[in-house]
Amino acid sequence: GESVGLHLPTLSVQEGDNSIINCAYSNSASDYFIWYKQESGKGPQFIIDIRSNMDKRQGQRVTVLLNKTVKHLSLQIAATQPGDSAVYFCAENPYTDKLIFGTGTRLQVFP
Amino acid sequence: KAGVTQTPRYLIKTRGQQVTLSCSPISGHRSVSWYQQTPGQGLQFLFEYFSETQRNKGNFPGRFSGRQFSNSRSEMNVSTLELGDSALYLCASSLGQGARTGELFFGEGSRLTVL
Repeated sequence: GESVGLHLPTLSVQEGDNSIINCAYSNSASDYFIWYKQESGKGPQFIIDIRSNMDKRQGQRVTVLLNKTVKHLSLQIAATQPGDSAVYFCAENPYTDKLIFGTGTRLQVFP
Repeated sequence: KAGVTQTPRYLIKTRGQQVTLSCSPISGHRSVSWYQQTPGQGLQFLFEYFSETQRNKGNFPGRFSGRQFSNSRSEMNVSTLELGDSALYLCASSLGQGARTGELFFGEGSRLTVL
């Protein structure tokens, strides 16, 4: 499969545990944020988004938290499963109609 | 319905050559964006096309160009290839223009290796 990053930070969790993936964004003008999941050999897949007028948004098994004060974004995955193993990217959108992606975090789920 | 289709999936070129990559968006999607993904630089925005017009451009040299056809299909071209152009090139489509209008659907990418 594709290698999306040789030196990505890695989070290793046990199946069934909750995972928290963090992201620091750079532009204080960004008001729209997205989390993507990229599995080996595939393109990024949309997980969840959040706008800056919100602090928290929940999806199915996932929650995104936004702290604008410290420019921090996190993705929480409940009851992590082997199929969640992938590289996760946060992306910010500072009014420019293009996404600025973070460097990514590799999530490894072990039994 | 079919997802975003990129061709070719893999290709090898030598320095100085040029390459054309193709992207067919999801049916009904009118916006196509291109991204370059490398281990060192991550995912970087190249350009976006909507209704056959380039609407936004990233910070890449003029060797990188693209176009969009009336059926929304898009091509990107890289001329005078350099070793550093080796990357996974990703195409994404969306219904409307711009990243803010909704979800981007990515293809599986075209892996370019420059020797």
